[in-house]
Amino acid sequence: EVQLVETGGGLIQPGGSLRLSCVMSGLTVSGTSMIWLRQAPGKGLEWLSVIYSDDSTYYTDSAKGRVTISRDNSKNTLYLQMNRLRVGDTAVYYCARLESTYHYAMDVWGQGTTVTVSS
Amino acid sequence: QSVLTQPPSVSGAPGQRVTISCAGSSSNLGAGYDVHWYQQLPGTGPKLLIYDNKNRPSGVPDRFSGSKSGTSASLAITGLQPDDEADYYCQSYDSSVAFVFGTGTKVTVL
Repeated sequence: EVQLVETGGGLIQPGGSLRLSCVMSGLTVSGTSMIWLRQAPGKGLEWLSVIYSDDSTYYTDSAKGRVTISRDNSKNTLYLQMNRLRVGDTAVYYCARLESTYHYAMDVWGQGTTVTVSS
Repeated sequence: QSVLTQPPSVSGAPGQRVTISCAGSSSNLGAGYDVHWYQQLPGTGPKLLIYDNKNRPSGVPDRFSGSKSGTSASLAITGLQPDDEADYYCQSYDSSVAFVFGTGTKVTVL
């Protein structure tokens, strides 16, 4: 069974840093296009960063300069390093697979990890 | 950041048919990019419901169907069931902001 499990969320003070992890089972992170998204309380979905199968990376404007996406093939894990966190970054963070044969629809999702930025 | 517009809510009685619209523009749906639909049950991560405008992944009932025309798309749910009560999001690609989502629609089963 294909499964994504996000960890690393928690309560963090403004200005702090967090590294989120997305552990994959049933699929290989190497060569897989993956995306990080978030959902603020009561709000819709917003993409943050994507890493394609060729290892090219892209970020939304709100994430540029503060967020870094990476993967560790040996641990079959995707990461999202977030720095200089703001109250507005409070959200549930999801990782998802981008399925190229579905024109990059997000066909597998994790359950999410909650990040709360507050003093 | 949402650039695809959906109605905030739709409702229907069990067994009825409901539709959810997704309005885009010339830089996303109108540019020929496909639309995908996701179902988000309360307290869970989203689930892919429809991909490439009208295709269902394995395991999704044929009660769910999608269509796209020009700058808009729609999701139809026939034979509405209590388990269909959830939030639904459309998603596409935009030439200026990349991945874009709809504003989300809450489906209520009366």
